[in-house]
Amino acid sequence: AQSVSQHNHHVILSEAASLELGCNYSYGGTVNLFWYVQYPGQHLQLLLKYFSGDPLVKGIKGFEAEFIKSKFSFNLRKPSVQWSDTAEYFCAANTGFQKLVFGTGTRLLVSP
Amino acid sequence: DVKVTQSSRYLVKRTGEKVFLECVQDMDHENMFWYRQDPGLGLRLIYFSYDVKMKEKGDIPEGYSVSREKKERFSLILESASTNQTSMYLCASSFADRGHEQYFGPGTRLTVT
Repeated sequence: AQSVSQHNHHVILSEAASLELGCNYSYGGTVNLFWYVQYPGQHLQLLLKYFSGDPLVKGIKGFEAEFIKSKFSFNLRKPSVQWSDTAEYFCAANTGFQKLVFGTGTRLLVSP
Repeated sequence: DVKVTQSSRYLVKRTGEKVFLECVQDMDHENMFWYRQDPGLGLRLIYFSYDVKMKEKGDIPEGYSVSREKKERFSLILESASTNQTSMYLCASSFADRGHEQYFGPGTRLTVT
């Protein structure tokens, strides 16, 4: 079965530090990839998505992700985090029909 | 703005009760989904629907059923609530084309005592 792995469950950073959250998927065919974010007390919202084309995808709030097909990876990055980036981040993959497969999430805490 | 609303933010029910969670979307989306979110497990798909009266089981359908009588409304039913169904329930919707993002509601935190 298709799966999505997020290896970092908890990440703690200081403000202005750089962020990279890992995401790997297991599927050999065409795949669409997403990063969602859930801020404390808020609903899940889309951060960015990859369908095709340029493997470097830019999203909201300065986030970006790079699709590396050979590594089955879609890591999320931000050069300089802010306290307001404290949230839980979910990677997800769409491998067919309309179902999304989610990773287990990474809780990011940014200390001021 | 896409809006997905859920009938309750918090719900407390007793073991054995029948529980209805309702979800409404206002974007004419074909697809609707019910997930449960548990710490350390991420989001797991319970059921989804790709059209009125159509449904498919997700990864963890046991103990749940769904109903979609109108395009904009998707209900999740717990026939006989149990304590292991205490969780956060998220509804989502999307257009039918492959790869469209899903839009999520605020969630219902259900506690079964």
